[in-house]
Amino acid sequence: LAKTTQPISMDSYEGQEVNITCSHNNIATNDYITWYQQFPSQGPRFIIQGYKTKVTNEVASLFIPADRKSSTLSLPRVSLSDTAVYYCLVGDLNYGGATNKLIFGTGTLLAVQP
Amino acid sequence: DAGVTQSPTHLIKTRGQQVTLRCSPKSGHDTVSWYQQALGQGPQFIFQYYEEEERQRGNFPDRFSGHQFPNYSSELNVNALLLGDSALYLCASSPGLAGVQETQYFGPGTRLLVL
Repeated sequence: LAKTTQPISMDSYEGQEVNITCSHNNIATNDYITWYQQFPSQGPRFIIQGYKTKVTNEVASLFIPADRKSSTLSLPRVSLSDTAVYYCLVGDLNYGGATNKLIFGTGTLLAVQP
Repeated sequence: DAGVTQSPTHLIKTRGQQVTLRCSPKSGHDTVSWYQQALGQGPQFIFQYYEEEERQRGNFPDRFSGHQFPNYSSELNVNALLLGDSALYLCASSPGLAGVQETQYFGPGTRLLVL
């Protein structure tokens, strides 16, 4: 499984765009990149997932360069409620035809200030 | 849709005791995975159940066991509790047949404190 490296923490202010970069130099051909958000004492919540180029949904954008050795989660105009831990996960989605396990690192603690 | 539900929300046990945690998956999901999250760490995969069988297992001792019922709900059992078992235990559900885009839906967790 590809190891991921992301900053331990980041600070931002309300209304700013936040970009969190994740390095995954050993990503495999079948691996997808998935980001989860977790608030204290809650389960992680899926944010976005991609394989290459750019993916955008109502919450965030995910930018993946051609070599796929890194990815950037972009959160537009953050608010105080975006303060959370953000996890970058890289792995094959399938295990024998079923959903594969998730491998979490320590994540990035994003602190949004007023 | 109630999403993934877990019970109890909190639990206090003493060393050596046994504990059972319960999980009901999101409607339409038949695969349940369990994770342990120690304070300040990311969730660690314990095992996964599909069609009432353990499909994958993480690096956890045999004291950790599980079960899945015909209605897809699941239990996590931990025997001979240690202080180090204190953690947030998370249940996640997903569709059994993996597609191109798969996500796992997590419950709120059970906070276990071992004294």
